[in-house]
This record gives sequence, C-alpha cells and structure tokens, in this order.
Amino acid sequence: DAGITQSPRHKVTETGTPVTLRCHQTENHRYMYWYRQDPGHGLRLIHYSYGVKDTDKGEVSDGYSVSRSKTEDFLLTLESATSSQTSVYFCAIGQGGLNQPQHFGDGTRLSIL
Amino acid sequence: GENVEQHPSTLSVQEGDSAVIKCTYSDSASNYFPWYKQELGKRPQLIIDIRSNVGEKKDQRIAVTLNKTAKHFSLHITETQPEDSAVYFCAASENDKVIFGPGTSLSVIP
Repeated sequence: DAGITQSPRHKVTETGTPVTLRCHQTENHRYMYWYRQDPGHGLRLIHYSYGVKDTDKGEVSDGYSVSRSKTEDFLLTLESATSSQTSVYFCAIGQGGLNQPQHFGDGTRLSIL
Repeated sequence: GENVEQHPSTLSVQEGDSAVIKCTYSDSASNYFPWYKQELGKRPQLIIDIRSNVGEKKDQRIAVTLNKTAKHFSLHITETQPEDSAVYFCAASENDKVIFGPGTSLSVIP
C-alpha cells in the first residue's frame, strides 16, 4: 500500500471550533488531494495540491482551507466547523499528470456536534 | 466541469454470476477512467483503469470497456465471489483531477 498516513483517524468536536486534519506521505508524490465522502455522493474533491505552496479548489471547497509547506504534508482546516461538515475525509496522493492513478489513505471520521 | 453518472446504485447477484456496472461522463476531453473498490470501513482501492486509446482491458475476473463516442464505460466482474461485495466507484479525469461517480453497492449472495 502507498505510504499515506492520516491523523487523527477519528475526531468528535463541537460546532464553531477549528479543526485540522493532517495527511502525511512517504512516496514523494507531487499531487495530494482531500476528499469528503457522504452517503449517496461518492467522493467529492475539496482541495488539492500540485506542489509545495501550490493548491487549488475542488468542487466542495467552501468552509475549508488547505496548506502544503512540505512535499510530504497536506493539511485540511475547517476554520469554524459546522454540522454539515460531519463526514469521512480521505486524503489521496498521485504522481500527477494525466492518466495517473491516485492512492488513498485510511480516512478520518469527523463528527461535529 | 466533468459530471459522472453511475448505474445501478445497488446490485445483488448470486455467487458465480456476472456483475456489470455502467458509467457515463460528460467531458469529451476526459481520457483516463479508473475504478475503485471500497470495502466497508476501508479506503477506496484502485482495481483497474483504462486510458482513452484502449477500448477494453482485462485483469483476471475484472474487465473494463470504454466507448468514447458514446461517453460510456463499464466494469464487468465475472464469476463473482462473496469477497467481491463492496462499493465500486467509477471516475473520469478532468485536468489534474478525477471526478467520481456516486458509487454502486454490490452484494454477492452465497
């Protein structure tokens, strides 16, 4: 399996609090992605990164920010968590370019009460 | 942007039968189509992919077909086994990203 570690694996927090999820890779892949997974919606892209300090929005980016200060780490931040952001969050990595597969981490289950 | 539809949303088959999952996409520029399998509580895992210069690809009991003209691609699983039970996602490329379909929950009944 690709060397991807997500932390924490589970988190419960309250509405209005800030939350940061971390994705760490040991594959030196250029591309990193954050998805959320909700029943009936599949995997929806939140943000992605194509290099250190280079990021772009996905289809559901509102309420989320990201940072990538090192090749191996990609952080997802919910500045003020809302109940609608309760979800399972997956990080993925890829070598980039066209026609290259992505490989997923084990996910973070986030509950916002 | 790209839109990927997937059918059916649920599928039950008897062990040993074949299963077919169909996807359509909207962006004619898409040229990479991966399929992922996700078991309950686990990460999505790539099981097969196909590129636009190929019409069909096989890997043991799994095959994928692509019709670029119709913007259709399909996953075929033959001789299904209980361990094939999972959610399957198709996806289509869009620049540096892939857009996923909503998933098909496959149940293989022993």
